[in-house]
Amino acid sequence: DAGVIQSPRHEVTEMGQEVTLRCKPISGHDYLFWYRQTMMRGLELLIYFNNNVPIDDSGMPEDRFSAKMPNASFSTLKIQPSEPRDSAVYFCASSTRGWTGTIYGYTFGSGTRLTVV
Amino acid sequence: GDSVTQMEGPVTLSEEAFLTINCTYTATGYPSLFWYVQYPGEGLQLLLKATKADDKGSNKGFEATYRKETTSFHLEKGSVQVSDSAVYFCALAGGYNKLIFGAGTRLAVHP
Repeated sequence: DAGVIQSPRHEVTEMGQEVTLRCKPISGHDYLFWYRQTMMRGLELLIYFNNNVPIDDSGMPEDRFSAKMPNASFSTLKIQPSEPRDSAVYFCASSTRGWTGTIYGYTFGSGTRLTVV
Repeated sequence: GDSVTQMEGPVTLSEEAFLTINCTYTATGYPSLFWYVQYPGEGLQLLLKATKADDKGSNKGFEATYRKETTSFHLEKGSVQVSDSAVYFCALAGGYNKLIFGAGTRLAVHP
């Protein structure tokens, strides 16, 4: 398995532009998570999906952020319009539960480093 | 609510020194516990895990024991290498399959 695949690896955009980050989870994983990492705030959970359905989006900072999961193999995180304070590394992770219900742990992608100038 | 507290870094050690990174947690029930490692420019990688009290997770010379009585999951390694330099995150599996991460501890190992 190729792991969790994120694209692009780096994105530089101007303030006000729309940014779309993409994620392909591990096949068979039924949970997908979007995180943001900054020096100041550490790792923040933005939103997560179970079986393609958003379960908790309470971490999405503003209405400028939206996420979709149209099918089990693809998710997007969109920022419109982008602002300099959105500059961060955005991680996608996927997971599943074992037969006992115990979480196996997340597998993270390599992240997208977003710079908004 | 559920939370994880890690010792603040950075931790600076010489090669072959003994490593301990403290982690304590607050949670209802008996969550699974994890240590993740993040190397520069990369995503987080699962280092080890423990799913019940007294379990010991181990990987690549690192160990951590799930201590219910002290609500702790301290990470240890007997002899660190320069290649162990990274940021280490303690985490617990909270409700609804959510992982709750600590703030991370940066480890720097010098030759």
